[in-house]
Amino acid sequence: NAGVTQTPKFRVLKTGQSMTLLCAQDMNHEYMYWYRQDPGMGLRLIHYSVGEGTTAKGEVPDGYNVSRLKKQNFLLGLESAAPSQTSVYFCASSKGSLAFFGQGTRLTVV
Amino acid sequence: AQSVTQLDSQVPVFEEAPVELRCNYSSSVSVYLFWYVQYPNQGLQLLLKYLSGSTLVKGINGFEAEFNKSQTSFHLRKPSVHISDTAEYFCAVSAPDTGRRALTFGSGTRLQVQP
Repeated sequence: NAGVTQTPKFRVLKTGQSMTLLCAQDMNHEYMYWYRQDPGMGLRLIHYSVGEGTTAKGEVPDGYNVSRLKKQNFLLGLESAAPSQTSVYFCASSKGSLAFFGQGTRLTVV
Repeated sequence: AQSVTQLDSQVPVFEEAPVELRCNYSSSVSVYLFWYVQYPNQGLQLLLKYLSGSTLVKGINGFEAEFNKSQTSFHLRKPSVHISDTAEYFCAVSAPDTGRRALTFGSGTRLQVQP
């Protein structure tokens, strides 16, 4: 079992560029999440999904879109990257009370 | 809505000394409580969780935490720390009765173990 896999692990974008972060889980979990981690702020929820074809906004959704076309995948998109989106992004999936996290994607927007 | 406050952003401690990392939460409904550890440049690893039952919870690597409902606290403790415990520690809550499984995190506490 790979658990939760995020790609890419690192990326540098120019302001205004777009990109998609991919999260894949092989545990057949219904719930999936995208968080961002910034120094001194912990992890904040961007968007989440309670099942295939459904998504919902978290605490900090502005500037991001998501899609859950397949149960095992949860995509996070940035349509027009801004320096304020420089962060470490974590994907997670959960079953019951337990959440499993990916290794993170470090994104820098210059 | 739930919120989590970690009172100390950094905790320096000498090797083999005891340590306590403080966590307080706010919620109008019942919560589940968690502590996660993040080693440098890695993801989050679950240390321990409180769902129900005994208020003293034991986790991995010798850590334990005590749930105190009246003080809305869930402090993490270890009687004797090692250099390898140097990491960032996050307290988190979820509110299962509301259907909200997403975790709400505190801002983190950086534990620095010195020789």
